[in-house]
Amino acid sequence: DTEVTQTPKHLVMGMTNKKSLKCEQHMGHRAMYWYKQKAKKPPELMFVYSYEKLSINESVPSRFSPECPNSSLLNLHLHALQPEDSALYLCASSEGGGGSPLHFGNGTRLTVT
Amino acid sequence: QKEVEQNSGPLSVPEGAIASLNCTYSDRGSQSFFWYRQYSGKSPELIMSIYSNGDKEDGRFTAQLNKASQYVSLLIRDSQPSDSATYLCAVNHNTDKLIFGTGTRLQVFP
Repeated sequence: DTEVTQTPKHLVMGMTNKKSLKCEQHMGHRAMYWYKQKAKKPPELMFVYSYEKLSINESVPSRFSPECPNSSLLNLHLHALQPEDSALYLCASSEGGGGSPLHFGNGTRLTVT
Repeated sequence: QKEVEQNSGPLSVPEGAIASLNCTYSDRGSQSFFWYRQYSGKSPELIMSIYSNGDKEDGRFTAQLNKASQYVSLLIRDSQPSDSATYLCAVNHNTDKLIFGTGTRLQVFP
């Protein structure tokens, strides 16, 4: 069982919908991440939060909006997505500092119709 | 551009054999190296971490790092069909940003 919990496991949304992905970790990690992964491709970094502050934004379109309410929670708000945004969205956490591995949640499979 | 390169495969090995997965990286300042296993439709799972030159063994897995050659490898001994997955190499340059290779698909046949 993963120590990083993501909800929902699956999400289908229309292009005009607003939805949110949620992630929770209780490992005391200071860094949390959102990755996007398309089929047969490696995970692609979207955002990094360090000590609850956004530290990396990989030029992600504004229709993706991250939020870190506290050190254990990470949200990804979705609005006006495109069908090409359909992918597996992965949350991860780490102790931070560069030498620490990432621990991934089980992911949310998003389909945009 | 910092890059991590892997052969996409598939790498096919018979059950019981040693599978050897390779990864090269371009940033000479990289300091932390990780191997992840990813089953189809699932999330990546950490297999090994290695930080210094040489070998690191954990059960059937051995990670090897050669910083001079900018090369990291993963050996899987006594390969099992359940090892069939995509193996992702990931490299870190002392920041919060982990760079993934494209992954090597391993197939272990009975």
